[in-house]
This record gives sequence, structure tokens and C-alpha cells, in this order.
Amino acid sequence: QSVLTQPPSASGTPGQRVTISCSGSSSNIGSNTVNWYQQLPGTAPKLLIYKNDQRPSGVPDRFSGSKSGTSASLAISGLQAEDEADYYCAPWDDSLSGVVFGGGTKLTVL
Amino acid sequence: EVQLVQSGAEVKKPGESLKISCKASGYNFINFWIGWVRQMPGKGLEWMGIIYPSDSDTRYSPSFQGQVTFSADKSISTAYVQWRSLKASDTAMYYCARGQTGTIAFDIWGQGTMVTVSS
Repeated sequence: QSVLTQPPSASGTPGQRVTISCSGSSSNIGSNTVNWYQQLPGTAPKLLIYKNDQRPSGVPDRFSGSKSGTSASLAISGLQAEDEADYYCAPWDDSLSGVVFGGGTKLTVL
Repeated sequence: EVQLVQSGAEVKKPGESLKISCKASGYNFINFWIGWVRQMPGKGLEWMGIIYPSDSDTRYSPSFQGQVTFSADKSISTAYVQWRSLKASDTAMYYCARGQTGTIAFDIWGQGTMVTVSS
């Protein structure tokens, strides 16, 4: 059971905008930046968003991140079939002195 | 090209020891953290801990403290995770990843090493 709460699943049709939430506490999201990872089926995770809202080189601007208080969100606009994957939020947690991963959200493109 | 290449899949028996590796190339190995992440079959990602190769500063997740040992060999740009006595519950995919200082954002990932522990 993760200290971070993500919805287990999300879905959308091609072209739609979907949002995935990540709820934490003052020891993690409330006091540290949030990173997001995408894991396509059968592959290693990939860094999608870092420092709450920054995109690494090569990540399309359809992906965006935000943070407010003890919650963070990942938004995907112009949904594409290739976005079907598991998404994880991951801030540092001061109480645990380590990174914590959310439970993951499985995104299905209908 | 910046990359992390992990050692191959392992099949072990309970009680056996194991050391898997993660070789870095294309960047200065000692200037970035190396993290280890476990993914049990059909489950999510779990942070095991990190090591800073420059001085071997190591942080373990409470869940993995005492269960595994991280190490790094600067001379060959390789990080390791070691088990002294494997259990069936250690069956999982293990990933290494390069961690940025400060944010500990894992920006480069290895391909993963599948460890199967079965009698």
C-alpha cells in the first residue's frame, strides 16, 4: 500500500484530454517536487515529467504536470493510442528518506 | 549514447546468493546517483534505494534495509545489488536507473534484470 494515492485506472478516446491525480501528504508532495514516469507494456519506465512540470527533451508537449499543496496531476492532451501505459508519480518523502512511487494508473485508450 | 546495461536474467533457488549488475556508459558515472527499483510480477514500481558512486553514500528504503546490499565499482562504471539469501518473494524484475542530484528524477533506465527464485 503506497503512501501516495493514484486512481488504478483511467481511460479516454483518441484526441481527448485525460488527467491522472496523485494525492500525498506534507512529507512528500507537500514539501518536494514530483516526477512522473510512463511504463509502456513490457518495457522499462521512462521519465515523463520532472520537478512537477518540466518535460525532458523528447517528451511531447501533450504531456504536462502540475502540483498544488499535497496533490499533483499529470495531464495528457490529444490522447493517442501509443499513450496506453502505466503512469506513476514519484516524489521524495522526507519521513521515509527516500523516493516513494504511487500505486500506478493504467491508462486505456478506447 | 548515455545508457545503463544490466546483467541477464537469473534463476536461483531459495537460500542462494546473487549479485546483479548495472553498467553505465556515455556519462561520468561518479556524478550521478544510481537507484534500484523492484517490480514484482503484475505489480507497481517499488523504490529500493540509491547509491552515489563517488563516495558510495547509500540510502535504503526501510522495506529493503538489511535485505539487499548496494555497491559500485568506479573503475568499471558499474553498480551492483546483492542478496545473501534469496527468497521466493524476491522474484521480480529489477531496474537500475540514473538519478539526478536534488530531484532524484530517474532519467535513464536500464533494461531490467528478471530474477526468478524457485525451488
